[in-house]
Amino acid sequence: AQSVTQPDIHITVSEGASLELRCNYSYGATPYLFWYVQSPGQGLQLLLKYFSGDTLVQGIKGFEAEFKRSQSSFNLRKPSVHWSDAAEYFCAVGPPQGAQKLVFGQGTRLTINP
Amino acid sequence: EPEVTQTPSHQVTQMGQEVILRCVPISNHLYFYWYRQILGQKVEFLVSFYNNEISEKSEIFDDQFSVERPDGSNFTLKIRSTKLEDSAMYFCASIATGMNYGYTFGSGTRLTVV
Repeated sequence: AQSVTQPDIHITVSEGASLELRCNYSYGATPYLFWYVQSPGQGLQLLLKYFSGDTLVQGIKGFEAEFKRSQSSFNLRKPSVHWSDAAEYFCAVGPPQGAQKLVFGQGTRLTINP
Repeated sequence: EPEVTQTPSHQVTQMGQEVILRCVPISNHLYFYWYRQILGQKVEFLVSFYNNEISEKSEIFDDQFSVERPDGSNFTLKIRSTKLEDSAMYFCASIATGMNYGYTFGSGTRLTVV
């Protein structure tokens, strides 16, 4: 069965510190991989996506993610967080063929300390 | 940048009442989706819609739910007889074709059933 695991429910980091949010997936083949961000009361905004090619992908707002096939992981990173990065972050996977549904992880809530 | 528009942003309804959630997908998109997020939980797939018919639905999407694209622009989700457990944020999403572009999500409708 398809599944996405985000092991960390809540992470707190200080402003200016580096960040890594973990995502592991279970899938029959290499899926398409996504990270979305949700600010309080807002919708889901696409941060970045991986389909193929370079396993390090760059996204908006200074985020990047690295696909590691051997670990079935797609961790999100940012070298220096800003207070405005406080939000909920969701990892999602989808099949490589067709426009089919996404499966989301539980989400990681990021709190930034000043 | 094109947006997916959802109305209303918040709806309160009494248990047993019918509600219609409205979405205007991006105009050249062909695939449409509804997802929901119960407070504090993961985003869950409800239904996908393509070529004027449902292409996939989850076990959540029972006979109380229906979707329609009545006029070529709007995409609606109807819940015939709401239950307390239908309280959630409902997200509409659309994509042009295939998975390469990633979903564009609306900002959501928060449904509260009392």
